[in-house]
Amino acid sequence: DIQMTQSPSSLSASVGDRVTITCRASQHISSWLAWYQLKPEKAPKSLIYAASSLQSGVPSRFSGSGSGTEFTLTISSLQPEDFATYYCQQYNSFPLTFGGGTKVEIK
Amino acid sequence: EVKLVESGGGLVKSGGSLRLSCAASGFTFSDAWMTWVRQAPGKGLEWVGRIKSKTDGGTTDYAAPVKGRFTISRDDSKNTLFLQMSSLKTEDTAVYYCTTGFGELYPWGQGTLVTVSS
Repeated sequence: DIQMTQSPSSLSASVGDRVTITCRASQHISSWLAWYQLKPEKAPKSLIYAASSLQSGVPSRFSGSGSGTEFTLTISSLQPEDFATYYCQQYNSFPLTFGGGTKVEIK
Repeated sequence: EVKLVESGGGLVKSGGSLRLSCAASGFTFSDAWMTWVRQAPGKGLEWVGRIKSKTDGGTTDYAAPVKGRFTISRDDSKNTLFLQMSSLKTEDTAVYYCTTGFGELYPWGQGTLVTVSS
């Protein structure tokens, strides 16, 4: 199975800050990577697919980059509604695997 | 609007069984590959399994921890996905989400909580 390692596991940031989350794959996965946002009691939200393509309806302050084994999710200017937990997921091969998550908290 | 609504969660004793349902609307369910993902309390997301569309063979794949105990099925006439869970263990306690996609998963339902007691 492909292992996905996210860092950091949590971070504190202020509204307006630029936030970067890193995801590393244990094997080459080309650009077969997605990012999701999870909030308590809400349906998980797809943000990014194919490493850098923005899902429909997702604000442009979210962006993704990378290929191969190293990927990043960037929030250019953190908004109050962005405080949540973020997960990366590879879909290069089965089983689909997720990173451990990054919790973005208010500073 | 594409919508997925899970139901059937609840409290069950270890060794017991439970069937989850996921009602889909707003898209051509019969063409969709459907997936179950779970999140245990305080833990991350874990892929449970998926079922392909009937036109793509209708086959299923499962994660190792649930293989042989969980069965995914679908009723395309009712736009409904199922997860039959048996021989439940306390470590199966989680929120179970249904979702769709070939690789990237979009959209997701709100989930249904399954609690397995000892």
